[in-house]
Amino acid sequence: ILNVEQSPQSLHVQEGDSTNFTCSFPSSNFYALHWYRWETAKSPEALFVMTLNGDEKKKGRISATLNTKEGYSYLYIKGSQPEDSATYLCARFRGTSYGKLTFGQGTILTVHP
Amino acid sequence: NAGVTQTPKFQVLKTGQSMTLQCAQDMNHEYMSWYRQDPGMGLRLIHYSVGAGITDQGEVPNGYNVSRSTTEDFPLRLLSAAPSQTSVYFCASGVAYEQYFGPGTRLTVT
Repeated sequence: ILNVEQSPQSLHVQEGDSTNFTCSFPSSNFYALHWYRWETAKSPEALFVMTLNGDEKKKGRISATLNTKEGYSYLYIKGSQPEDSATYLCARFRGTSYGKLTFGQGTILTVHP
Repeated sequence: NAGVTQTPKFQVLKTGQSMTLQCAQDMNHEYMSWYRQDPGMGLRLIHYSVGAGITDQGEVPNGYNVSRSTTEDFPLRLLSAAPSQTSVYFCASGVAYEQYFGPGTRLTVT
C-alpha cells in the first residue's frame, strides 16, 4: 500500500447499530496514526493518536485498534447515534517530521434515527 | 486560548489575482501546516513548517508560497490564482504527535 486508504467510502446505519471502518497504510517506517472526526463546516477534531502495535484506544462509544505490522487500524462505534454522523479521517505521520500528515479520503458515516 | 485561527472564512478571487490566507496560533506550537481539502481526496499537505524560519514543501506545493517569520503566524500566499485552487484550506499547528486544525477558509477562483 503506497498511500493511506479508508474503507468504506460511505456508510449508512440505523441508530443503535454498531459499526466499524478500516484505515490501511504502508507498514514500513511507521511512526503514528491519527483518527479525526470531521463534521461539515467545522474543523477536524482529533479522536486518537496511536503509536504502538496493538494499541487500543477508547473514548466513550468510540474505540480504535492498531496493527502496524500488517498496516491497518480499525475504528469502532458502538450503538451509533445521529450525532455520530460525520466524516472519519485517518492520517499517518510521514517520516520523522511531526508536521506532516498523509490523510486517507475519509469514511462518511450517516446515522439514521 | 483562541487556538488556531484563520482569516478570511470565505474568499472569491478572479483568475490571476493574488492573495494571502492568514493563519495564527497562540499555543506556542513548533509545527504548522497548510492542507487543502477537495471532494473525494481527503486532506492534502501543501506546505509545512517546523519552526520560525523553516519551511518545506508538502504533496501539492505548486502555486503556493509560505513563510514563517514568527512562531505564531504561518501565512499561505497564492501568487496567481487558478480555478484549480478552488478548495477549502485548513491550517494546523501541533507539537509532537498532536495537531489542531483551524476552522478553514473556503476559496473560490472564478
